[in-house]
Amino acid sequence: AQSVAQPEDQVNVAEGNPLTVKCTYSVSGNPYLFWYVQYPNRGLQFLLKYITGDNLVKGSYGFEAEFNKSQTSFHLKKPSALVSDSALYFCAVRDLYGQNFVFGPGTRLSVLP
Amino acid sequence: GAVVSQHPSWVICKSGTSVKIECRSLDFQATTMFWYRQFPKQSLMLMATSNEGSKATYEQGVEKDKFLINHASLTLSTLTVTSAHPEDSSFYICSARGKISVKNTEAFFGQGTRLTVV
Repeated sequence: AQSVAQPEDQVNVAEGNPLTVKCTYSVSGNPYLFWYVQYPNRGLQFLLKYITGDNLVKGSYGFEAEFNKSQTSFHLKKPSALVSDSALYFCAVRDLYGQNFVFGPGTRLSVLP
Repeated sequence: GAVVSQHPSWVICKSGTSVKIECRSLDFQATTMFWYRQFPKQSLMLMATSNEGSKATYEQGVEKDKFLINHASLTLSTLTVTSAHPEDSSFYICSARGKISVKNTEAFFGQGTRLTVV
C-alpha cells in the first residue's frame, strides 16, 4: 500500500531564509511524487512533480524538490521564503497505473516577516 | 495548467435537505474525477472515484446512498449530499484528471466547497 508521511505539522521560517518541508513515501514500484499547496478555503494548487529524470525538480513560485530514492524522500525547498508562501503544503504519491493520489497529512508553513 | 471549476464555493443548508456540488473541467476531458472531504487542519480524505459513464467507486466507510456521485460527461461530475446533517459540514474538494499517460500524471483541483449544515 502507498503511504506518505510529512513529519512536521508546522514549519516556521523567517522571510528571506531558506525553507524545507519534508516528505517521505512508501510505494511499490516507481513513484510519481507531487507537491500541492492550499491557501485558506481554497482547493489545491499544483507546485511540482517528479516522474523520472533529474532528481532535482523545479516548480512554480521558485519551489523545488529533491527526489532521493535511497531515503524515499521528496523534500520541498525554496532558497528564500516569502510571507506569501505561508500556506498548507501537501505531498502526494501515485504509482504509474494507480487511479488515486495518496496525500500526506499536510504541513503548515508560516513565514514570519 | 488545466482548470477545474467547482460550484458553489460555499453553501449553507438546513438539516434534512439535499445539496448538489458541481465540478467541471473547463479545458480538458476529465476521464476520472475524485471527490475528497477535508476536515479542519486535516488532510484530504478520498470519498470516491468516478470514471465517465460508470458508477462511482466509493472508499470504505463512505455511504454511497448519502453521497451521490454522477459523472455523466467528460467535463462534469456532481456530488449530492442527501438528507444533510450537521456532521456533514465540511470542505469538499473535487479533482479531475485526463487520460493517463506518462506526461499526464497530475490531477487538477477545484477551489473547494464549504458546506455548512444548520
